[in-house]
Amino acid sequence: QKEVEQDPGPLSVPEGAIVSLNCTYSNSAFQYFMWYRQYSRKGPELLMYTYSSGNKEDGRFTAQVDKSSKYISLFIRDSQPSDSATYLCAMSLSGTYKYIFGTGTRLKVLA
Amino acid sequence: DADVTQTPRNRITKTGKRIMLECSQTKGHDRMYWYRQDPGLGLRLIYYSFDVKDINKGEISDGYSVSRQAQAKFSLSLESAIPNQTALYFCATSDPPREGTDTQYFGPGTRLTVL
Repeated sequence: QKEVEQDPGPLSVPEGAIVSLNCTYSNSAFQYFMWYRQYSRKGPELLMYTYSSGNKEDGRFTAQVDKSSKYISLFIRDSQPSDSATYLCAMSLSGTYKYIFGTGTRLKVLA
Repeated sequence: DADVTQTPRNRITKTGKRIMLECSQTKGHDRMYWYRQDPGLGLRLIYYSFDVKDINKGEISDGYSVSRQAQAKFSLSLESAIPNQTALYFCATSDPPREGTDTQYFGPGTRLTVL
């Protein structure tokens, strides 16, 4: 079993929809949870960074962590075609450089 | 200008050739990393360096070597390339965290094909 599981998609939604992207993980010691966005032929770009449980909001993006279920989510409100990309989750332990990445979910927002 | 640059952006080579991928950063970060990305496997760490004198193997270092020429430069070499090293290669940088975990910033990637 992989430490971090992420549905590869593709996930296709119409413009304006609310998108939910998810990852599950097995290591209960993870404390830090990141979401990266990767456009085709580009490097991953950090979107959101959350510590422990709870929600964090930044504009149209909300990151949610449920440590009891070992489940994290990224919600995108009012999705736009420019949101079409691959979204990677990543996790780490406290005080460490080491990230464990999900394989990424490919999202297509249709105009 | 980009904070993290990688050269070349694309490279096609043949089995057995020596290849060097280069990474430069203007973020002033101490820590630098090399990852490879494969479909269905995600990003995996090859090597990392916390400063010029500190270089460490990641989870998949076999067949690779690195050189940290300066704080801003970190090169990855494939001594004798093989087809299963065909992948996207990313350099990343970070600073030691004041608290929590460090935040890694990625370059644009090098697409390497080994025939």
